[in-house]
Amino acid sequence: EEQLLESGGGLVKPGGSVRLSCGASGFSFRSYGMHWVRQAPVAGLEWVASITSTSSSIDYAHAVRGRFTISRDNAKNSLYLQMNALRPEDTAVYFCTRRLDYGDHWYFDLWGRGTQVVVSS
Amino acid sequence: QVTQSPSSLSASVGGRVTISCRASQNIHNYLNWYQQKPGKGPNLLIYAVSNLHDGVPSRFSGSGSGTDFTLTISGLQPEDLATYFCQQSYDTPRGTFGQGTKVEI
Repeated sequence: EEQLLESGGGLVKPGGSVRLSCGASGFSFRSYGMHWVRQAPVAGLEWVASITSTSSSIDYAHAVRGRFTISRDNAKNSLYLQMNALRPEDTAVYFCTRRLDYGDHWYFDLWGRGTQVVVSS
Repeated sequence: QVTQSPSSLSASVGGRVTISCRASQNIHNYLNWYQQKPGKGPNLLIYAVSNLHDGVPSRFSGSGSGTDFTLTISGLQPEDLATYFCQQSYDTPRGTFGQGTKVEI
């Protein structure tokens, strides 16, 4: 069964750091671009960051650029999100998700259950 | 940017539900729909406006082009209780999501 499992969330003080991990299983992780998407309490989905299959291209949402770093280790079937200089507005459930390309189109076809990050003093 | 409406709705089992998604610019047919049940991650329902993802029941359908898109559930079932999100995939890799529509039975 194809699966994504996030971990590493928790309670962090403003200005603090946390590293999220996402373990992939049941598919060829190295073949897919991966993304992080977050969801603030009682709110919609917000795209956070993306990384291509070979890490050749990386992009960030304006709200996190310069503070967050996305990375991956294909040998370990793992995706990471290093989050520094955290702010209360970063409080959210963080999902990792797999991008599937279909011709000119793309979409997120596999999601994890998410890991909660709470930024509060 | 994509704007969804309504933010929530209530419908009866067996009824028909329509959710709208409007893009701020022409996104052609680069529009996907997701379903999120409470406490879980989203699941892909429809990609490229009208293509059902594997295993998605045929009561779900999508339509539209350019800036205006619609998700329709024909014959609402109790398991369809969820929040539905549209997502534009025209701006790659940033897939902006709509604000979501909560469907109550």
